[in-house]
Amino acid sequence: GAGVSQSPSNKVTEKGKDVELRCDPISGHTALYWYRQSLGQGLEFLIYFQGNSAPDKSGLPSDRFSAERTGGSVSTLTIQRTQQEDSAVYLCASLIRGQSPLHFGNGTRLTVT
Amino acid sequence: AQSVTQLGSHVSVSEGALVLLRCNYSSSVPPYLFWYVQYPNQGLQLLLKYTTGATLVKGINGFEAEFKKSETSFHLTKPSAHMSDAAEYFCAVSKTSYDKVIFGPGTSLSVIP
Repeated sequence: GAGVSQSPSNKVTEKGKDVELRCDPISGHTALYWYRQSLGQGLEFLIYFQGNSAPDKSGLPSDRFSAERTGGSVSTLTIQRTQQEDSAVYLCASLIRGQSPLHFGNGTRLTVT
Repeated sequence: AQSVTQLGSHVSVSEGALVLLRCNYSSSVPPYLFWYVQYPNQGLQLLLKYTTGATLVKGINGFEAEFKKSETSFHLTKPSAHMSDAAEYFCAVSKTSYDKVIFGPGTSLSVIP
């Protein structure tokens, strides 16, 4: 595809359940980011994958959050034992190494009830 | 660690008036600086960027920003606001083109007819 694709676009889950959010970056983009956007909170950095380097996980808010990137392409963000405060829009972005801009997907809106 | 502050979570201007959105950053090295815009119900897109060279950067839709190292600022301006400029604006910083991009909390711009 031409852009960053995220699925699902919306996810409603019950508190305590696990969720997986998927990101398909633009082909050839070596860097991939996950951000969280909450109302009034801006974009919160979560995790950054750059090529084959170890990911920068410094933004993950707790050990309930994890992410992986398989084959240097598709990424999955997993939230275990979801809490209501996890409700937000989760954005994925990719870029060609050494170049900007970030290309953002449309996000997954997660609602934890 | 890098950080970005944006003074004013919400700014209102009259149509035709000057737009000024403030951004200050902290970085241990000369940074890469960006402004992204998010129009209602749309994804984020790059407005302009500063990497090296000329400190006055021109972007899309008549916006420009000036990098002032002495003030650690990268304020966004537009001489004459248009109704279509109403959106959320995010300032962002990165140490290098290979480093993670950290966003500010955003400023919501309203344009009054």
